[in-house]
Amino acid sequence: GQSLEQPSEVTAVEGAIVQINCTYQTSGFYGLSWYQQHDGGAPTFLSYNALDGLEETGRFSSFLSRSDSYGYLLLQELQMKDSASYFCAVGADQTGANNLFFGTGTRLTVIP
Amino acid sequence: KAGVTQTPRYLIKTRGQQVTLSCSPISGHRSVSWYQQTPGQGLQFLFEYFSETQRNKGNFPGRFSGRQFSNSRSEMNVSTLELGDSALYLCASSLAVVGTGEQYFGPGTRLTVT
Repeated sequence: GQSLEQPSEVTAVEGAIVQINCTYQTSGFYGLSWYQQHDGGAPTFLSYNALDGLEETGRFSSFLSRSDSYGYLLLQELQMKDSASYFCAVGADQTGANNLFFGTGTRLTVIP
Repeated sequence: KAGVTQTPRYLIKTRGQQVTLSCSPISGHRSVSWYQQTPGQGLQFLFEYFSETQRNKGNFPGRFSGRQFSNSRSEMNVSTLELGDSALYLCASSLAVVGTGEQYFGPGTRLTVT
């Protein structure tokens, strides 16, 4: 079986930093991705970690520890527009193909 | 470059009917994946096509099928619709031959089964 666990809701203050954790249990592993989805919108790709360590893209950073089956998304200098759902996803197919197994999502609310 | 497009955007069908949804990937993308999104089950992988071949299939009944054409456009079909098939159906395209976790999603087709 496969499972990805992430907190269901997080609330943070504008300008602050927030970390969204993701632990996974999958039969195969081909990297951890993060997606953002605003209400009524489509998921948009944020970051991808295939190897251990930190990847930084502007205000967003993502971390992976394969030995701990754990990753997180770090959002800095939070803005109101960051209020959205955030999904971690694992590429779990042994061929490395484009089939992602998604977590249940974390709803981030940014408050003034 | 145009994004992923899906048609129709909204659809209402009756139980027992069938439906076909269409997806046009970003130009040059040969991989198209389909996902079902519901409040209860979240985002679930349906299947992926690459160069007109189904490479992977998720855990959905055989009522769900798909295909990809030579221009990479893809369709998915759901036969004998059930109430539980009401969902947002998303397609996503990718440039990579081997998955990199980076997919570009279309706006989705909202299917309501009554």
